[in-house]
Amino acid sequence: DTGVSQNPRHKITKRGQNVTFRCDPISEHNRLYWYRQTLGQGPEFLTYFQNEAQLEKSRLLSDRFSAERPKGSFSTLEIQRTEQGDSAMYLCASSFNSYEQYFGPGTRLTVT
Amino acid sequence: QQPVQSPQAVILREGEDAVINCSSSKALYSVHWYRQKHGEAPVFLMILLKGGEQMRHEKISASFNEKKQQSSLYLTASQLSYSGTYFCGTVEAGGYQKVTFGIGTKLQVIP
Repeated sequence: DTGVSQNPRHKITKRGQNVTFRCDPISEHNRLYWYRQTLGQGPEFLTYFQNEAQLEKSRLLSDRFSAERPKGSFSTLEIQRTEQGDSAMYLCASSFNSYEQYFGPGTRLTVT
Repeated sequence: QQPVQSPQAVILREGEDAVINCSSSKALYSVHWYRQKHGEAPVFLMILLKGGEQMRHEKISASFNEKKQQSSLYLTASQLSYSGTYFCGTVEAGGYQKVTFGIGTKLQVIP
């Protein structure tokens, strides 16, 4: 297994457009996490899945953000009506139960 | 509740030691430590569980004081490869396995 993969690696979009990111976790990992990271900050929790169930979603997350993990495999994160404040690195991580999380390379989003 | 890390930045010469601290106001189940190099994803170093033992990764070790909700990361005989930003992540007791990260400690090791 080559680890967690994320696509695309970079995304530039205009304000108001919708974007979707994909994360493929390590195959045997049942937990999948989405984080957002801006310059000089640690990863900020967005949401988390155990298998296909979304167990927690950050209260900071507006209704413009939605995530899915159909069949408990890959996950998608969609941002609707993007705003300039959404510009950040979006990180996905996976783990087996509550142990160490393995991060993907991230998707860098720039909203112009 | 975001954990508090100190110091925010530190510069070391190769071979020197350093300690990075992490504290929380909440009762914790576990503490995670990660290192992130510029432009890369965070990489797991170790996890400390409530009631668990002190952990070690090469010449890096960590401790977890459950009563004080504090963890410390000890870097011994630092190497150039240790440079990066170190994040502690905390999991609160009794909740879901959500890791809340601090803002990080930037460590630079110079020759």
